[in-house]
Amino acid sequence: DAGVIQSPRHEVTEMGQEVTLRCKPISGHDYLFWYRQTMMRGLELLIYFNNNVPIDDSGMPEDRFSAKMPNASFSTLKIQPSEPRDSAVYFCASVRGVGGYTFGSGTRLTVV
Amino acid sequence: AQSVSQHNHHVILSEAASLELGCNYSYGGTVNLFWYVQYPGQHLQLLLKYFSGDPLVKGIKGFEAEFIKSKFSFNLRKPSVQWSDTAEYFCAAASGGSYIPTFGRGTSLIVHP
Repeated sequence: DAGVIQSPRHEVTEMGQEVTLRCKPISGHDYLFWYRQTMMRGLELLIYFNNNVPIDDSGMPEDRFSAKMPNASFSTLKIQPSEPRDSAVYFCASVRGVGGYTFGSGTRLTVV
Repeated sequence: AQSVSQHNHHVILSEAASLELGCNYSYGGTVNLFWYVQYPGQHLQLLLKYFSGDPLVKGIKGFEAEFIKSKFSFNLRKPSVQWSDTAEYFCAAASGGSYIPTFGRGTSLIVHP
């Protein structure tokens, strides 16, 4: 099992540019979550999907953020346009049923 | 609102010292509880979890946690820490049957060799 796979590991972009983060959950997991981690705010849940359907996106900070899950093995988190305050580590996690999450290695985003 | 409190933000210990990290949650009903560890520069990994049964849960790397329902607590313990335990530790709680845990703010543990 390769675990939850995220790409890229690091992303440096200029303010105003579009950023796309990618996640491949563990096969068979029916829930997928996107989190953002910063020193100031800790770990924040942005959005989660169940069987590819977005269930709760109330944590998405602004309309600049969007997430999709076109199939069970792939999800994207897009920021357009990006701003310096979006700089953070973005984690994807998946789980099957009720249980402990498996987190991906994260994408460290720096917007300059 | 549901919440998880980790009272110790920073803990510094010497190797071989005993560790106890506090965690309190605010749910009144059945609850699922978790401890995660995040080593420097890495992702969160599940240390242990409690759903039901024996309130003393044993996890990986010698960690254990005790669920005390009357105190709404799920403290993490290790009898003798090692330098390699230096990491951030997160407690999380979800109401029974929920897939969405609430995470605490984390406790930074530094172990001096």
